[in-house]
Formats: sequence, C-alpha cells, structure tokens
Amino acid sequence: EAGVTQFPSHSVIEKGQTVTLRCDPISGHDNLYWYRRVMGKEIKFLLHFVKESKQDESGMPNNRFLAERTGGTYSTLKVQPAELEDSGVYFCASSQQGGTEAFFGQGTRLTVV
Amino acid sequence: AQSVSQHNHHVILSEAASLELGCNYSYGGTVNLFWYVQYPGQHLQLLLKYFSGDPLVKGIKGFEAEFIKSKFSFNLRKPSVQWSDTAEYFCAVPGAGSYQLTFGKGTKLSVIP
Repeated sequence: EAGVTQFPSHSVIEKGQTVTLRCDPISGHDNLYWYRRVMGKEIKFLLHFVKESKQDESGMPNNRFLAERTGGTYSTLKVQPAELEDSGVYFCASSQQGGTEAFFGQGTRLTVV
Repeated sequence: AQSVSQHNHHVILSEAASLELGCNYSYGGTVNLFWYVQYPGQHLQLLLKYFSGDPLVKGIKGFEAEFIKSKFSFNLRKPSVQWSDTAEYFCAVPGAGSYQLTFGKGTKLSVIP
C-alpha cells in the first residue's frame, strides 16, 4: 500500500512568487492534515480536511496560504505571494475516519530567497 | 490548549548506551500521547502511543515509554541504542476534541558507533 506522498520534495522560489505543494493521502483516508516546521521550531498544525471540507484551519498563518482538497482525494497548499518567513518543511498527514494514528509524508522543503 | 515540552535538543550517545528522552505535557483532561521518529531522509513514523490502560507502552524497534500522570510525563526509553537509532524524536499530543497534533520541539539523537 502506498503511503502519503508529497510533491515536490524540495522547492526554491523567490520572494513574491507562487508555489503549490501537493499531498496524496493514503487511499481511503478521509482525514488529511497539513503541518509546517520552520527551522529551529516545533512542527505546527496548519489545517485539517475531512474529505473535501475544511474541518479546522485555525493554524493557517495568513491569507497568503490557500489549501484545497477538491473531490476529497489529494490536497494542494498554495502560497501566494511567498515571503521569506514561509521557508520551512511542510508535512502532510492522513488518517482513517475514527483512526488514532496519522501517517505522514516525507515533507516538502520550501526555501524562499 | 495542550502543550508539549521536550527537554533535550540534541543527545549524543555511544552504541549500547541506554536512552531516555524527556517529554512533559500540559494537563488537558483525557490524555493521549504519541512518540514519532524521523530517520534521516524519511517520513515521520509512529514509534508508540498511549491511550489508556497499562502506563508502560511498548513500541517498535525496542522502544518503550512510561506515562506518569502525577508528573505529566511520557518519557521515551531504550535500554541499548544502536547506530540505526540516529534520528529526530518527537513527542505529541492531540488537541482537545480534535485530531490535530501538538508537537514538542523534537530531540535529535546521534548514536556513535
């Protein structure tokens, strides 16, 4: 069974540009989460989808971040326009409905220069 | 809100040494606790979890953790580490009534052959 996959693994963009990160959860997992780890800090929750609906987006830093999960399958996280402080590793995770374990992807390392 | 603190930022051990990584959490009612590990270049994966019952939890690869309610602690232990245990270790708790995880800052473990 394929795990959670994220694309790209690395991205280097200039300040002001747009970047879109993608996450493919484990097939059949209704819950999908985005987390971010800024260098030297803890991993922080960004948002939670249940199928295609945003259940909790309390962790989204500001309105430059837009997450979607059309059709309840894969999800994208767009940063527009990117700022230097957006640099970090973005993790995606998924879990079954009622599941107690979240499965994580390898993360996307975003560097904004 | 739940919070988690990990006491050690970087731990360096020789092979066969014993390991104990500290984790303390803030009180928030029902307590569920997790330890995740990230090996170099790999995704975060679950080491072990505590939901209820026996406070001594056995995980994968010989790891265990003990939930001590009176101390608000969930320390991770391994009696004899191997070079392959070199990784970053994260303690985490779910938020009250939600699936999102709150992580500690992580502890990097380096095991010297």
